[in-house]
Amino acid sequence: DTGVSQDPRHKITKRGQNVTFRCDPISEHNRLYWYRQTLGQGPEFLTYFQNEAQLEKSRLLSDRFSAERPKGSFSTLEIQRTEQGDSAMYLCASSSFTSGGAIVAEQFFGPGTRLTVL
Amino acid sequence: AQSVAQPEDQVNVAEGNPLTVKCTYSVSGNPYLFWYVQYPNRGLQFLLKYITGDNLVKGSYGFEAEFNKSQTSFHLKKPSALVSDSALYFCAVRDGDYGGATNKLIFGTGTLLAVQP
Repeated sequence: DTGVSQDPRHKITKRGQNVTFRCDPISEHNRLYWYRQTLGQGPEFLTYFQNEAQLEKSRLLSDRFSAERPKGSFSTLEIQRTEQGDSAMYLCASSSFTSGGAIVAEQFFGPGTRLTVL
Repeated sequence: AQSVAQPEDQVNVAEGNPLTVKCTYSVSGNPYLFWYVQYPNRGLQFLLKYITGDNLVKGSYGFEAEFNKSQTSFHLKKPSALVSDSALYFCAVRDGDYGGATNKLIFGTGTLLAVQP
């Protein structure tokens, strides 16, 4: 399968614990995005990378959240000192980009990591 | 600010009948518009997009969408619904004129499509 993969698919943690999620994008895609989806809502943008550079962060991304993409391939999203309000589905997406290109590429989404904070 | 509205939480249609899932948007510049579908316990799957050009866009699984600039709408349509089309549908917009500096998608709240046999 050459799609976007995410690990783990499910995570249950206690309030105050730290959690880390991993996303492996489609191999030739240089843009990677993180979104958060809560029940009954559409995905909300958190942050995105072009290669290893984090180019945009949402105000939703509090200081407890940090994302990395150290080698421009896979990415990790860490949540420190989890709170019950962090319970959500965390979605990763990737897309391709070529400098000077006029084509707006669609984002391809992974299956998500469902986080439950007790 | 960019926004997307999907006014219907649920759309019910009989198999074989045409379906429409509504979407309206608000952006400061020219919109890039997308439709995604989400099946239970699965990620979002891309259906189609409008960037520029022909207002009628054709996508996967027989779906199409019509961009209407004057009504700021991008409704999803299919001439003949299948039971297997039952899923959650999301409309999304990206502001195409935001200096190229943002690539985030703004999603609507989703519309549950239920196709009855």
